[in-house]
Amino acid sequence: AQSVTQLGSHVSVSEGALVLLRCNYSSSVPPYLFWYVQYPNQGLQLLLKYTSAATLVKGINGFEAEFKKSETSFHLTKPSAHMSDAAEYFCAVNPAYSGAGSYQLTFGKGTKLSVIP
Amino acid sequence: NAGVTQTPKFQVLKTGQSMTLQCAQDMNHNSMYWYRQDPGMGLRLIYYSASEGTTDKGEVPNGYNVSRLNKREFSLRLESAAPSQTSVYFCASIQERRAGGQETQYFGPGTRLLVL
Repeated sequence: AQSVTQLGSHVSVSEGALVLLRCNYSSSVPPYLFWYVQYPNQGLQLLLKYTSAATLVKGINGFEAEFKKSETSFHLTKPSAHMSDAAEYFCAVNPAYSGAGSYQLTFGKGTKLSVIP
Repeated sequence: NAGVTQTPKFQVLKTGQSMTLQCAQDMNHNSMYWYRQDPGMGLRLIYYSASEGTTDKGEVPNGYNVSRLNKREFSLRLESAAPSQTSVYFCASIQERRAGGQETQYFGPGTRLLVL
């Protein structure tokens, strides 16, 4: 069984400020972890993923996330927010195995990021 | 959303009507997935298909059927629509990782369904 908790359904930051979106997971097996971004009326775009190679994962658009097993966390950060970062962000977990049909992702409820000019 | 198309983009149904949501990908991916997105709920897996001709239930399959007749297309059918099925439906196409490799994944733009 697996689950994801995203703390804060809505986060506001000022332009240029640090972005921190929190994600905690629960998984009975080693997990793969993902962050997605969704702009209004669009599908999901993969930002970054953790697949056990390195605990600090760098993604697109200047985002990064650190896998902390002891804290069961995978928080998303960006040093300086841009107006274009305003979107909804989803954390997702998947059991760490490969093969066809293995992407049965469990998503968090999402965090809407607002960037204040 | 390159490579994954969904039709229609928007649909209004009356309770009890049926319809099929279409999804197609041109990337030769093995696996395709249907998710629904509801406000404050994130995305939940409805059905998936690991390969052509196979389908399996996800977290919320009740009220839905799927069909994977070929590698390109994966359709989702509502036989008798209910207001609880009002949602945004996303199709995803994924080529799972191989040893030492990376997976590729794309989500479609979504179908907004309103059931009255």
